Amino acid sequence: ETGVTQTPRHLVMGMTNKKSLKCEQHLGHNAMYWYKQSAKKPLELMFVYNFKEQTENNSVPSRFSPECPNSSHLFLHLHTLQPEDSALYLCASTRAGTALSPLHFGNGTRLTVT
Amino acid sequence: GESVGLHLPTLSVQEGDNSIINCAYSNSASDYFIWYKQESGKGPQFIIDIRSNMDKRQGQRVTVLLNKTVKHLSLQIAATQPGDSAVYFCAETAGGSNYKLTFGKGTLLTVNP
Repeated sequence: ETGVTQTPRHLVMGMTNKKSLKCEQHLGHNAMYWYKQSAKKPLELMFVYNFKEQTENNSVPSRFSPECPNSSHLFLHLHTLQPEDSALYLCASTRAGTALSPLHFGNGTRLTVT
Repeated sequence: GESVGLHLPTLSVQEGDNSIINCAYSNSASDYFIWYKQESGKGPQFIIDIRSNMDKRQGQRVTVLLNKTVKHLSLQIAATQPGDSAVYFCAETAGGSNYKLTFGKGTLLTVNP
């Protein structure tokens, strides 16, 4: 079982709803990420947090709002989404520092916007 | 811009054969490469990584080869099993920074019994 847990696994929401995705890592890592995975496209980096500080916002629309209260938890708040936002949202974590370390991913939240 | 891509979108092999999945990258500054496996309904799972100061690295039934001259990366899977059926992604990053991993689109590996 992955050390990165994402909830919910599936989410269906209307365009006017507000929902949140949750991610928790149990690996002692200090950097966390949100990626978007759409069909037939490479994984797209959305946000990066190092030591709870946001270090990357990859031109993501403001209807996606991340929150990182501590190095083990990461949220993605969703508001007024569009149908094209339907995708698999993946959370990942790693040990940030001088040594290169691979990202460890959760199993994602499958989001459908109706 | 810089990109990471895969030569073949699909690969079908017989159980027991060796599989080779290829990946090309264009950023000559890339210094860290990772292979991931993604099964249906799951997130990408780390398989093996390699740094640019190496040209080969072996794991359990897997070998990654790096050719910096032609900017090519490959993943070899020995004695492929049905459980190896998945999408395989290569990813790369440059400048010693891990967080800006660039991913390829993926290769779907199908293992026939």
